[in-house]
Amino acid sequence: NAGVMQNPRHLVRRRGQEARLRCSPMKGHSHVYWYRQLPEEGLKFMVYLQKENIIDESGMPKERFSAEFPKEGPSILRIQQVVRGDSAAYFCASSPKPPGGHQETQYFGPGTRLLVL
Amino acid sequence: QQQVKQSPQSLIVQKGGISIINCAYENTAFDYFPWYQQFPGKGPALLIAIRPDVSEKKEGRFTISFNKSAKQFSLHIMDSQPGDSATYFCAASASGYGGSQGNLIFGKGTKLSVKP
Repeated sequence: NAGVMQNPRHLVRRRGQEARLRCSPMKGHSHVYWYRQLPEEGLKFMVYLQKENIIDESGMPKERFSAEFPKEGPSILRIQQVVRGDSAAYFCASSPKPPGGHQETQYFGPGTRLLVL
Repeated sequence: QQQVKQSPQSLIVQKGGISIINCAYENTAFDYFPWYQQFPGKGPALLIAIRPDVSEKKEGRFTISFNKSAKQFSLHIMDSQPGDSATYFCAASASGYGGSQGNLIFGKGTKLSVKP
């Protein structure tokens, strides 16, 4: 059973360009979380999605960032008009069950390292 | 305030020694406390997790101690090995419905170095 897949692993963009990060959850997992990690920092929650639904986007910046998890295909984190401060590692995690009553383990992908020049 | 404070920031231990990392939280709604291990260039991997209905959980050389009244929990790595050298993150989440359900709140990490 393949783990969480993320691509690309490394992404370089110039200021003002768009970045699209993809995450394929583990087989059978329909819950996806996105986190951002700045150098020497812990991971910060961004958004929680189920298939076709955004459940919690309280950690997403209000502008330029969006996420989706379509019925078919991977989850996408999209950053428009990137700025240097967007440079970070972006991790997605997947879970087979929703939280509530008994927290299910989140399995993390290898991350996408975004560098904005 | 949803925050998890982790200490120390870095830790050097001799091979065979005990590594101890501490975390403290504020939100009493937290009911799930995992520890993740991260190697450079890799994603975090779940090491061990505990729920507040027990005070200790052991898996191999790794033990979580949990003090609900003090709102603190710690990771103990017994017989530390050079291969344990990595960054360790504590985290917490609340499983209740509504609000930020299930989102992991991470500490800032502890960089462990085990010397041979």
